[in-house]
Amino acid sequence: EVQLLDSGGGLVQPGGSLRLSCAASGFTFSTYIMSWVRQAPGKGLEWVSAIGASGDSTYYAASVKGRFTISRDNSKDTLYLQMNSLRAEDTAVYYCAKDPRGAYSSAGNPWGQGTLVTVSS
Amino acid sequence: DVVMTQSPLSLPVTLGQPASISCRSSQSLVYSDGNTYFNWFQQRPGQSPRRLIYKVSNRDSGVPDRFSGSGSGTDFTLKISRVEAEDVGVYYCMQGTHWPLTFGGGTKVEIK
Repeated sequence: EVQLLDSGGGLVQPGGSLRLSCAASGFTFSTYIMSWVRQAPGKGLEWVSAIGASGDSTYYAASVKGRFTISRDNSKDTLYLQMNSLRAEDTAVYYCAKDPRGAYSSAGNPWGQGTLVTVSS
Repeated sequence: DVVMTQSPLSLPVTLGQPASISCRSSQSLVYSDGNTYFNWFQQRPGQSPRRLIYKVSNRDSGVPDRFSGSGSGTDFTLKISRVEAEDVGVYYCMQGTHWPLTFGGGTKVEIK
């Protein structure tokens, strides 16, 4: 069954940096597009970024482009999100998601449990 | 960007009765490969989102068959045939056809 374990969240000052990780298991990680989605406190879902199966293509929401970098290590079945120049409006729970476009069935929830990022002085 | 519009915002339902949520996209979600990448998610209170439906009408593994998805092009519907207490939460639609991926604003399902 699919398991995605998000980690790396925490409290950071405005302008600071943080690196999120997502450890995957239960599926062939290297064959799936992976993504990050966030949810600000009390708000809806916002897609943040995605990366192709081999890491050759990346996509970003306009709100994070130039500040966030998505990457993956297929030898470690791990997805990353490097977040720089953080702002208060980046405060959210960040979820790792497998197959964000919804092309394939999933045995188990294709989303992680989330990791909270708080940007505050 | 593709705008996803859900209705209603709030849906009070009686246990055992059916419920229906609509989602409309600002442009067609039919991809060049012929597939329509449209999903429904459920988020129970205090939990992470869980995907229920992918490609309009396909239920994910373990999703009860009281949940069904339908629609085409720009108009989609999620139906719950008989609402149970565990169905309380917020439901989101999401399109995966066009970048950036976008979500609807959510529909809160609660028991009357």
